[in-house]
Amino acid sequence: EAGVAQSPRYKIIEKRQSVAFWCNPISGHATLYWYQQILGQGPKLLIQFQNNGVVDDSQLPKDRFSAERLKGVDSTLKIQPAKLEDSAVYLCASSLVGGALQETQYFGPGTRLLVL
Amino acid sequence: AQSVTQLDSQVPVFEEAPVELRCNYSSSVSVYLFWYVQYPNQGLQLLLKYLSGSTLVKGINGFEAEFNKSQTSFHLRKPSVHISDTAEYFCAVREETSGSRLTFGEGTQLTVNP
Repeated sequence: EAGVAQSPRYKIIEKRQSVAFWCNPISGHATLYWYQQILGQGPKLLIQFQNNGVVDDSQLPKDRFSAERLKGVDSTLKIQPAKLEDSAVYLCASSLVGGALQETQYFGPGTRLLVL
Repeated sequence: AQSVTQLDSQVPVFEEAPVELRCNYSSSVSVYLFWYVQYPNQGLQLLLKYLSGSTLVKGINGFEAEFNKSQTSFHLRKPSVHISDTAEYFCAVREETSGSRLTFGEGTQLTVNP
């Protein structure tokens, strides 16, 4: 089966510009996650969707970050305006149901963002 | 809230040598533990997970990990590594009260030298 797809793979922007990332989860997976992975650190959850509803966005910087999953399938994460500290790899993951403690999350290859 | 500490940021070893990557966690409730591997320019791939039952868990690529509740540890081991095991390894924890949220450690870079 096809894995989690993300695009673009790389993006370079200047601070104060806007940027958007796209994610297509594994077919049939109800739950979608966005993580931020800063160099030298582990991934940090930004937002979790169950179908097209938000389950957890407690660690999302809502003044500049937004995300949507309108039809319960693919998702877009946006940063507006970007800051230097947003330079990171943005990982998308999906799981079949979500909320099940034993469930595995499957990760995409990530989008590497550099803010200059 | 839970936290995860990976005690070594970098572990260099020679090919065919054994390796142990250390992970300790902190939590006030029951937890589920995971090890993920990240190859260069790729996403994370699940190596193994501990949910319940036997404290020795076997995963893919010959890796295994042992859950030690009294020491709050979940160390990853492999008896003989290959060049292809060179990657970043992440330990992660999920609390039974936090839904499906994973908290990751900062990672251990394993470098296998010929």
